[in-house]
Amino acid sequence: NAGVTQTPKFRVLKTGQSMTLLCAQDMNHEYMYWYRQDPGMGLRLIHYSVGEGTTAKGEVPDGYNVSRLKKQNFLLGLESAAPSQTSVYFCASSYPRAGENTEAFFGQGTRLTVV
Amino acid sequence: AQTVTQSQPEMSVQEAETVTLSCTYDTSESDYYLFWYKQPPSRQMILVIRQEAYKQQNATENRFSVNFQKAAKSFSLKISDSQLGDAAMYFCAYQGPQGAQKLVFGQGTRLTINP
Repeated sequence: NAGVTQTPKFRVLKTGQSMTLLCAQDMNHEYMYWYRQDPGMGLRLIHYSVGEGTTAKGEVPDGYNVSRLKKQNFLLGLESAAPSQTSVYFCASSYPRAGENTEAFFGQGTRLTVV
Repeated sequence: AQTVTQSQPEMSVQEAETVTLSCTYDTSESDYYLFWYKQPPSRQMILVIRQEAYKQQNATENRFSVNFQKAAKSFSLKISDSQLGDAAMYFCAYQGPQGAQKLVFGQGTRLTINP
């Protein structure tokens, strides 16, 4: 089972460059999320999606855009990268059940360095 | 907004001993979910244990157990018979009762196991 797959695993960008991180899940999950992990701050939610064609802002959305054109894919875009966006990025997905919460499945992370 | 606090940036324990990681949270909700995630050097986020707030009984998973004190908003993780493979970052996380099942993470505790 592939689960949640993130592409790429590592990337170095120059300030001002743009890039897109791809997240793909094969579990038919409705919900998908992008988090960033920084030392001493845990994981913080950037954007999330509760279904195909819908997205919403999380705790730290500035400087990022997202799209969910297909249910299985959730893209995170950086239009003009800044050194403050140096971080490890995690994608996650989950399946909602009425009256019950479910486990979130995480990708392996993308280490992004902006120089 | 909900917050999660892990006040121990680092902990260490002798192999085969018991260690307790602390977590406190703040919420006005009565129904919610709490989680402990393990992140080994591979970066993969692994769910260790889950607690539903409406359940009075503390969750256990083999060597892992929690002490859930709802009134005190405390959720500690106890690891018994520590093993070298338990060395990792541990994150406490909160999830609200409904909606998009977003996770709010603590800052993390790095656990070292001494042989």
